[in-house]
Amino acid sequence: AQSVAQPEDQVNVAEGNPLTVKCTYSVSGNPYLFWYVQYPNRGLQFLLKYITGDNLVKGSYGFEAEFNKSQTSFHLKKPSALVSDSALYFCAVRLPYTGRRALTFGSGTRLQVQP
Amino acid sequence: GAGVSQSPSNKVTEKGKDVELRCDPISGHTALYWYRQRLGQGLEFLIYFQGNSAPDKSGLPSDRFSAERTGESVSTLTIQRTQQEDSAVYLCASSLNGGGDGGELFFGEGSRLTVL
Repeated sequence: AQSVAQPEDQVNVAEGNPLTVKCTYSVSGNPYLFWYVQYPNRGLQFLLKYITGDNLVKGSYGFEAEFNKSQTSFHLKKPSALVSDSALYFCAVRLPYTGRRALTFGSGTRLQVQP
Repeated sequence: GAGVSQSPSNKVTEKGKDVELRCDPISGHTALYWYRQRLGQGLEFLIYFQGNSAPDKSGLPSDRFSAERTGESVSTLTIQRTQQEDSAVYLCASSLNGGGDGGELFFGEGSRLTVL
């Protein structure tokens, strides 16, 4: 079975400060890992993904995430938060070629950036 | 349009009625997914279609839920004898293919179902 955990329901950060949204996964094998963002009253949007290669991946809107195999984590980061980053963030995982073909999503973390 | 289109955007129904939700994926996308998002919760996988392969129905919560897809185009999700716990936003997504390339999913804005 594949699963993903987002241990924080909400993260609060001041504008201009760095932010981290945590994600850990539990799969056997080499997973594909994703981050999606859901802005208020809008559909989910793809932010970034890790497939293979460099452990640090860069995505949309200045976000990046680091794949850490030993800690089975894929935390989302941004050096300087913006108020407009306030949204609901979802981590997702899937195994290539085997197991469930659809993405398994975490429960989501609400990011609140205060001005 | 260029994106995933879902209809209706909002549906209010009475307990026990059947509802049908529609999804138009992006043209050329062979993979289509349905997810459910209850208020304040994460995404719950329901069903996945990939080309002409048998769909992965492992996420359907009960036999009241069913879905069909016509070729590589429109999909309908049907909920029979709706219950109040079915109230949620039903999200559809498509991707270019569902294989091992890690292709991103493109989501519609969802159909909000309220069962009274």
